Amino acid sequence: DQQVKQNSPSLSVQEGRISILNCDYTNSMFDYFLWYKKYPAEGPTFLISISSIKDKNEDGRFTVFLNKSAKHLSLHIVPSQPGDSAVYFCAASEEFNDMRFGAGTRLTVKP
Amino acid sequence: DTGVSQNPRHKITKRGQNVTFRCDPISEHNRLYWYRQTLGQGPEFLTYFQNEAQLEKSRLLSDRFSAERPKGSFSTLEIQRTEQGDSAMYLCASSRTGYEQYFGPGTRLTVT
Repeated sequence: DQQVKQNSPSLSVQEGRISILNCDYTNSMFDYFLWYKKYPAEGPTFLISISSIKDKNEDGRFTVFLNKSAKHLSLHIVPSQPGDSAVYFCAASEEFNDMRFGAGTRLTVKP
Repeated sequence: DTGVSQNPRHKITKRGQNVTFRCDPISEHNRLYWYRQTLGQGPEFLTYFQNEAQLEKSRLLSDRFSAERPKGSFSTLEIQRTEQGDSAMYLCASSRTGYEQYFGPGTRLTVT
């Protein structure tokens, strides 16, 4: 059961522009959401998170938005840099137990 | 460096053999997780320890899989009688809070 979905397998953006990665979920009991970045041959690296009691969290160039009514979250990267090119995974958890991951979106930032 | 480490990084085995992987978490993290990742998919939860207690197991974890975390430190994941469908990346993560989980580099298993 795919409780977390990333419907865009890939995204290409020009350097300096905004990257927007999207994620949808079905389980209304999820109370914590995270974004991870993954480079080839490495494990996922934690990027940014948001609690279900918030609708926005910022960390430098990265902002995560949560729309609970739509069961949707997004990651904004501004400005995008070539080093941001990686696979981005959306994840969600319920009461800090197992995390459910989306299938990932491959972001390519072109110089 | 005090990140999560996993050994071996790569393992090639013949079908029917047993394999064991090791994970060393970040030292102050009492929670430890195992995930499996196949090509084109996100990590799938396998099991979770809080200290030495195994608190949750996914239905993906068949009876051929067993995990331990003696003394609440490192953890091992053993797969008995490996099958070709077990070929995947096995990821370990640790956490202090249970929310942000920090992943190791993974062990890539190839069953021939």
